[in-house]
Parts: sequence; C-alpha cells; structure tokens
Amino acid sequence: HLQLQESGPGLVKPSETLSLTCTVSGGFISGSNSYWAWLRQSPGKGLEWIGSFYYSGSIYYNPSLKSRVTIAVDMSETQFSLKLTSVTAADTAIYYCAKHVDTGAHWFDPWGQGTLVTVSS
Amino acid sequence: DIQMTQSPSSLSASVGDRVTITCRASQTITSYLNWYQQKPGKAPKLLIYAASSLHSGVPSRFSGSGSGTDFTLTISSLRPEDFAIYYCQQSYSSPPTFGQGTKVEIK
Repeated sequence: HLQLQESGPGLVKPSETLSLTCTVSGGFISGSNSYWAWLRQSPGKGLEWIGSFYYSGSIYYNPSLKSRVTIAVDMSETQFSLKLTSVTAADTAIYYCAKHVDTGAHWFDPWGQGTLVTVSS
Repeated sequence: DIQMTQSPSSLSASVGDRVTITCRASQTITSYLNWYQQKPGKAPKLLIYAASSLHSGVPSRFSGSGSGTDFTLTISSLRPEDFAIYYCQQSYSSPPTFGQGTKVEIK
C-alpha cells in the first residue's frame, strides 16, 4: 500500500533555507487523480497547508507562504521536495507530506509520519 | 481564507458514550468538509470525506453530517482507541484550511 516518508535536517538556522524530501513507496507520483502535498503543524498555527502539485506540472501554494516556497518533483517519480527560504522561528513545525486526492472533492490521505524541523541558531 | 471553528475545544467522555463534535465554516463550503483523527506522535488520519462519506477501513461508529456552514462528527459509542484529537478541514476553496482541533479525553 501507499506510504510516504519525509527526510531532511531537523535543525535549520534563521534566514537559511529549509529543504525536505518526501519519498513515496507503493505507488508512483505520476498516478491519476494524484496531487501531492506538503503541510505543517505547529502549536501556534495548528495544521497548515503549504502547497500541492500535480505531476503534469500544476503547482499551487498557500498565498501566505508563496513568496518563500518551492515544491518540485524528482525525475525518479518517487520523490518530491520542499524548499522554504528565509526561515524564522515561526517556521518551526512538524512537516508532513501527503497524497492530495482530487475527485472533485479533495482530501489528504495518506500522510507521512512527519518530521520535526526546528529553526534556531 | 475560510476560517474553520470547532467546538468544543476539548471534552471528557467515557467508553460507550456518544460523542458529537461540531465544525463551523466562516462561509458556505457546501459539502467539501473532511474529518481527521490524530493520536499523539502520529500524523492525522482521514476518517470522513465530503462531509458524510466514511473512508475505507474506518469503523462504522464514526459518522459525519452537515452541509453549508455547519457540520458534525459523531462517534456513536466511544472506544478506548478513539481518544485522540479530531480536526475538520474544508476543501471548498484554496487554501484548504483546518479547524483548531477537538481533544477527546477519558473521563
């Protein structure tokens, strides 16, 4: 069955770039009706959608983060990435990748286990 | 952005109780409402999509209802494994947004 796993540094310095990778197993990023998403969760902001992309090239970002976010897919079709620039302490959160199912209605399922990223010097 | 407000923020209940959690949207979202369950240290898991459709593998004691701006998640008979935090999420318009969560605790 489909599984997702986030990976990347757990500590990032303020003003630097946060970089994470999501590895998909049990399926392919190029599957139909398949968007793929990044989300995060922090005590202050709760659950927050960062952005989603469709394999064909459509990418959608949360306007609140759009100027700092890049989501990209790896040519392997089993990995996609998140880059968030100019991070501050407010970006400290658990970061999740998830499949963003779109059948007209849409939802996030399944999710990776999440990875904690702390922004601190 | 559409704001999602859940009530209550927390509740205490006993095994076997019927539990109801409410989610209100700041504007109409028709039936584009999903519910998730999150246990400590774990990622959220989808329970209900499109307001009332039970996700595959989710026990039938969970049900969802509502449309427009007001929605409800009901657990018909609470089991020990149901103690968790529950979140609603709207998918009517971008950006998708979540409620602040409702923590279901053991009485």
